[in-house]
Amino acid sequence: SAVISQKPSRDICQRGTSLTIQCQVDSQVTMMFWYRQQPGQSLTLIATANQGSEATYESGFVIDKFPISRPNLTFSTLTVSNMSPEDSSIYLCSARRQGASDTQYFGPGTRLTVL
Amino acid sequence: GENVEQHPSTLSVQEGDSAVIKCTYSDSASNYFPWYKQELGKRPQLIIDIRSNVGEKKDQRIAVTLNKTAKHFSLHITETQPEDSAVYFCAASRDTGGFKTIFGAGTRLFVKA
Repeated sequence: SAVISQKPSRDICQRGTSLTIQCQVDSQVTMMFWYRQQPGQSLTLIATANQGSEATYESGFVIDKFPISRPNLTFSTLTVSNMSPEDSSIYLCSARRQGASDTQYFGPGTRLTVL
Repeated sequence: GENVEQHPSTLSVQEGDSAVIKCTYSDSASNYFPWYKQELGKRPQLIIDIRSNVGEKKDQRIAVTLNKTAKHFSLHITETQPEDSAVYFCAASRDTGGFKTIFGAGTRLFVKA
């Protein structure tokens, strides 16, 4: 199984600022993803982090708001830019080694509160 | 776009009874269907999965069935225990188009002792 760590685990931020969340996987993985989970809600895919190229964003999410980097096979960052209270949520990193049929693991999440 | 519907949103059972959660998916190219359990404040954990070439899979008290024609899949938990109480998510994924996984809305299961 893949072990995924994220930092920070939580943060409280002021409106208009930006926060970068880091995700580290303990072994090389093919696919890395970023999800958002509002309290009591399901997991919504923000984007697929592509190594060495621009991330692939889902409908409703844009690069200017959620820039993503993935410099290698084990590390990715998600930045939440120009934050507003509506961005308060849990952000989860996820990874999978090979194809779609391989187990997808999740990081512990980053709980973000925007005041 | 792709969509996964999940029912019921809340399920309350007596300890020892069975629980069934049902999902439907819209993308006919989906070929992998995992189920995750999420306890309060924790990350989702895979509990069982099924691939499109299999109709049923069982792991102790947990089983999953898949009907590809109807685009339905279900989770069955038998002999429920209080520690089964959690939120369960179904999901659908495919080997093309980015390998992304789409999740259902979740079912909050309460097992009463």
